[in-house]
Amino acid sequence: AQKVTQAQTEISVVEKEDVTLDCVYETRDTTYYLFWYKQPPSGELVFLIRRNSFDEQNEISGRYSWNFQKSTSSFNFTITASQVVDSAVYFCALGGMIKAAGNKLTFGGGTRVLVKP
Amino acid sequence: SAVISQKPSRDICQRGTSLTIQCQVDSQVTMMFWYRQQPGQSLTLIATANQGSEATYESGFVIDKFPISRPNLTFSTLTVSNMSPEDSSIYLCSVALAGGPGDTQYFGPGTRLTVL
Repeated sequence: AQKVTQAQTEISVVEKEDVTLDCVYETRDTTYYLFWYKQPPSGELVFLIRRNSFDEQNEISGRYSWNFQKSTSSFNFTITASQVVDSAVYFCALGGMIKAAGNKLTFGGGTRVLVKP
Repeated sequence: SAVISQKPSRDICQRGTSLTIQCQVDSQVTMMFWYRQQPGQSLTLIATANQGSEATYESGFVIDKFPISRPNLTFSTLTVSNMSPEDSSIYLCSVALAGGPGDTQYFGPGTRLTVL
């Protein structure tokens, strides 16, 4: 069975601080995909990144960066120089490669980030 | 990505009634999904809806309670039947554009349902 754990339920920072969100996953698949989504107070889920299990390169997109470490089954997300607009709930998700699984996504519990001005 | 709309955006319903939620996509997609997000919780997959076949329900969800229609490649509906306060949640639809394993899912804005 697949499982995603986001141990941090809520993180509060002051604007311009960096914040790192932890994501640890469990899967028996040798090939899989990992995702991060952002859910602002409006409720819509916004796709941020997709990473396959063969690509362990870290990725940077503006103030966002991701650190994928297969050896520790972790896919952590860092927001650099946080802004108030970054306040949201962030979800890590795991997707399998087995077509019969119907592209199911398993979501972590989410981490609420509150950025104070 | 895709532009996904849901109707209604929110509703307040009485116990015992049913509500049908619509999901419209601006492009043809093979796979659509329905999720439930209970207050303060994560997302739980209700079912996968592929055009031309019966929806596939996850453990704990049954067709009598959550009937789904998928009449074409751009539209789907989810009905929440015989509602109780425990059904108060955000219901989200999502689509996988390419339809292959590991494909990214894009989500609609959600429908906030409150059952009194």
